[in-house]
Amino acid sequence: DAGVIQSPRHEVTEMGQEVTLRCKPISGHDYLFWYRQTMMRGLELLIYFNNNVPIDDSGMPEDRFSAKMPNASFSTLKIQPSEPRDSAVYFCASSRGGGRTEAFFGQGTRLTVV
Amino acid sequence: DQQVKQNSPSLSVQEGRISILNCDYTNSMFDYFLWYKKYPAEGPTFLISISSIKDKNEDGRFTVFLNKSAKHLSLHIVPSQPGDSAVYFCAAPNNAGNMLTFGGGTRLMVKP
Repeated sequence: DAGVIQSPRHEVTEMGQEVTLRCKPISGHDYLFWYRQTMMRGLELLIYFNNNVPIDDSGMPEDRFSAKMPNASFSTLKIQPSEPRDSAVYFCASSRGGGRTEAFFGQGTRLTVV
Repeated sequence: DQQVKQNSPSLSVQEGRISILNCDYTNSMFDYFLWYKKYPAEGPTFLISISSIKDKNEDGRFTVFLNKSAKHLSLHIVPSQPGDSAVYFCAAPNNAGNMLTFGGGTRLMVKP
C-alpha cells in the first residue's frame, strides 16, 4: 500500500478563498483523522471518522471548517472562507482501530493564507 | 486543557549518549501511551507504545518507562544517533480509546 496520500502538498491562497484539502486513507482502515499542526498549539485533532461517519468534530475551530468522507477511500477538509490564521500544516491519518492502534499519517498539506 | 504535556521543547545530545524525552499527563484514566517521531516535511510515524499494566517497554535502542503514580512517562534512546534527530510526540487515547491526544512535541538534535 502507498500509505496515506494527501494532496496538495503545498497550498498558497489569498484570504477569503475556499481551500479544499484531500486525503486517501490506507485501504482497510476504518478510522480517519484530520489534524492541524501549528507552532502555538502543536498537533491538534480537528475531526475523526469511523466507517465514513463523522464521530467527533469538537476540534473544528469554526464553522468555516467542514469535512466530509463520502466513501471509505476519500475525505476532504474544506475551509471557506480562509483566513491567515488558518496557515498551518494539515495532516490526515488512518488506522484500523482508533487510538489504541498505530495511526499512519500522510505527509501533510502546508497551507499558507496570505 | 492540555492533558498530555511535553515541557521541553528541545533537547540536544551528543552522538552515542543517552537521550531522555519526558512526557506528563493529567488524566488518570489514560491507560495506554504511544510515542511518534516526526521528520521535517513528513507526517509523524509510530515509534513505540506502552500499556499501563507495564512500567517498561523496550524495542531495540528505544525504551519507554511509565510511572503511573507520577503520571509521567519517558522515552530513552541509547545510544543516540544523528538519524534520531526529529520531533518526538507522546500521545494517549481518550477514555473511549478512539482518538489520540498529543503532547506539544520535543525537538531532539543529536550532534555527531
